[in-house]
Amino acid sequence: RKEVEQDPGPFNVPEGATVAFNCTYSNSASQSFFWYRQDCRKEPKLLMSVYSSGNEDGRFTAQLNRASQYISLLIRDSKLSDSATYLCVGAGRDGNKLVFGAGTILRVKS
Amino acid sequence: DVKVTQSSRYLVKRTGEKVFLECVQDMDHENMFWYRQDPGLGLRLIYFSYDVKMKEKGDIPEGYSVSREKKERFSLILESASTNQTSMYLCASSLLVWGPSYEQYFGPGTRLTVT
Repeated sequence: RKEVEQDPGPFNVPEGATVAFNCTYSNSASQSFFWYRQDCRKEPKLLMSVYSSGNEDGRFTAQLNRASQYISLLIRDSKLSDSATYLCVGAGRDGNKLVFGAGTILRVKS
Repeated sequence: DVKVTQSSRYLVKRTGEKVFLECVQDMDHENMFWYRQDPGLGLRLIYFSYDVKMKEKGDIPEGYSVSREKKERFSLILESASTNQTSMYLCASSLLVWGPSYEQYFGPGTRLTVT
């Protein structure tokens, strides 16, 4: 079983839609979680960190459920520019290594 | 602004050749990483380094070695390239932490094709 698992998609949504991605992790010792965004033929970049209390950054909301070992990302009012691959990432106890999910592809269409 | 650079964007090598991929970061980060990214498999860690001359195996180190002689530079070496090493190679760096993680910063990647 992969340490971090995501639905690969693709999720095809119209502009303005709300879309949610889930991700599950198997290492209960993981302390930190992140969502990275990767545009086509580009490197991954940090989108947001994920906290137990949940956190929001504009149209993006991330939540962590430790009891069920899943992480979610909600995107409201989708824009064409949101089209990308979203990588769910967890970290081990020492924090220096990250484990990446395979990514969920989002395509926002007009 | 953090910058991680990689020596080549595209590389074509023949089976059996020795291949060097170089990565340089300008933020004085202690940690440096080499990943490969393949469709459906995501990023997989090959090797990482916490400090100069230190290296640790990642999840898929077979067929690879690394060198870190200076803090800012981390090299990935394919001793004898094989076709199954055709992939996108991504270098990253981050601060050394004890506890919750910090962000990793990635280079633009090197697409290596072994024929």
